[in-house]
Amino acid sequence: EAGVAQSPRYKIIEKRQSVAFWCNPISGHATLYWYQQILGQGPKLLIQFQNNGVVDDSQLPKDRFSAERLKGVDSTLKIQPAKLEDSAVYLCASSLYNSLGTSYEQYFGPGTRLTVT
Amino acid sequence: ILNVEQSPQSLHVQEGDSTNFTCSFPSSNFYALHWYRWETAKSPEALFVMTLNGDEKKKGRISATLNTKEGYSYLYIKGSQPEDSATYLCALNTGTASKLTFGTGTRLQVTL
Repeated sequence: EAGVAQSPRYKIIEKRQSVAFWCNPISGHATLYWYQQILGQGPKLLIQFQNNGVVDDSQLPKDRFSAERLKGVDSTLKIQPAKLEDSAVYLCASSLYNSLGTSYEQYFGPGTRLTVT
Repeated sequence: ILNVEQSPQSLHVQEGDSTNFTCSFPSSNFYALHWYRWETAKSPEALFVMTLNGDEKKKGRISATLNTKEGYSYLYIKGSQPEDSATYLCALNTGTASKLTFGTGTRLQVTL
């Protein structure tokens, strides 16, 4: 079974530029997550989708970050414009349907390492 | 804000040593605790999902225990090998849309 795919693996941009990351989850996984992992910190959830609907985006900086999951499969995360503090690894994960009180394993992609200069 | 703490922050052991790490969390409103292993340049890999007080799980040389009443989980590695070198993350699911809150991880380095 193919795992979670992400691209690109690495990206270097200058501040104020825009960048987009792509994620293809495991087939059949209804729930998709985007995490931001800043060096020295644990991954922080940015946004969670259930099929193509947003479940939680409370920690997404909406003035510069946006995400979509058209057709409930692939997802893109965009940053526009980027700031120095956005330098991090952006992880995508997917899982089976997650209802309240259910905790399925989340399967992660390899991440995109973003450096903003 | 839910605070999940892991200790130590980093650990350096010799091949063959046994070691353990701690994950601490508020003991209330708890659904499950997850352990992940994250090797450099690879995807984080799920190790265990633990839900019951007193739960103990094992996968090869790695095992984990959970104490929900006192709010901690231990991860044990018996006879560490260089391939065990990775960052070990724990994450708590409090049930709010099954959101995971991660600790900062324990970075393990195993040398020959």
